[in-house]
Amino acid sequence: RKEVEQDPGPFNVPEGATVAFNCTYSNSASQSFFWYRQDCRKEPKLLMSVYSSGNEDGRFTAQLNRASQYISLLIRDSKLSDSATYLCVVNMKGGADGLTFGKGTHLIIQP
Amino acid sequence: EPEVTQTPSHQVTQMGQEVILRCVPISNHLYFYWYRQILGQKVEFLVSFYNNEISEKSEIFDDQFSVERPDGSNFTLKIRSTKLEDSAMYFCASRDRRSSYNSPLHFGNGTRLTVT
Repeated sequence: RKEVEQDPGPFNVPEGATVAFNCTYSNSASQSFFWYRQDCRKEPKLLMSVYSSGNEDGRFTAQLNRASQYISLLIRDSKLSDSATYLCVVNMKGGADGLTFGKGTHLIIQP
Repeated sequence: EPEVTQTPSHQVTQMGQEVILRCVPISNHLYFYWYRQILGQKVEFLVSFYNNEISEKSEIFDDQFSVERPDGSNFTLKIRSTKLEDSAMYFCASRDRRSSYNSPLHFGNGTRLTVT
């Protein structure tokens, strides 16, 4: 059973389009949720935390649905520089320690 | 902006050798972590460290692995006798003083370990 599951893609999207990713998690007691971005062979970098009420940061909007145990990320007006792998990350145990990563969704923005 | 730094960026070693991967977490952070990512796979949790002791470790973190904070700034991961399957990117991360519930991890740029 996969703990954090994502569609691996790749998603090929034209520049300027809107794209959405979903992620599901298995542990209903999970407390913290994040989207990280990872470029090829680089470290994960925090894109945004995900809050229960949903939150927006510029072109990026994150939503959390606790009842269905899924998290979404919406990217509007996509840029070439948005091409990357987007990692759904969950604190499965609701405590201080290790985060559980999804395998990531690969996004390719095409000119 | 303060950052987590890791050295070396690439380490090549022979099977059976010991390696030490080094990290300097962000200075006011209290929680430290090691993760690894095998090429093409997901990022996997290895160990967390707080108040000079391991607070949690995964199944991957067996007796061949150890961590240490030898002074006030460095945080190291040692692999005693490397195996081919230890080849991966190893990421150090740290978290700040705020409630660890929602504070995100800050990752270093990784050490690529190649075991031959």
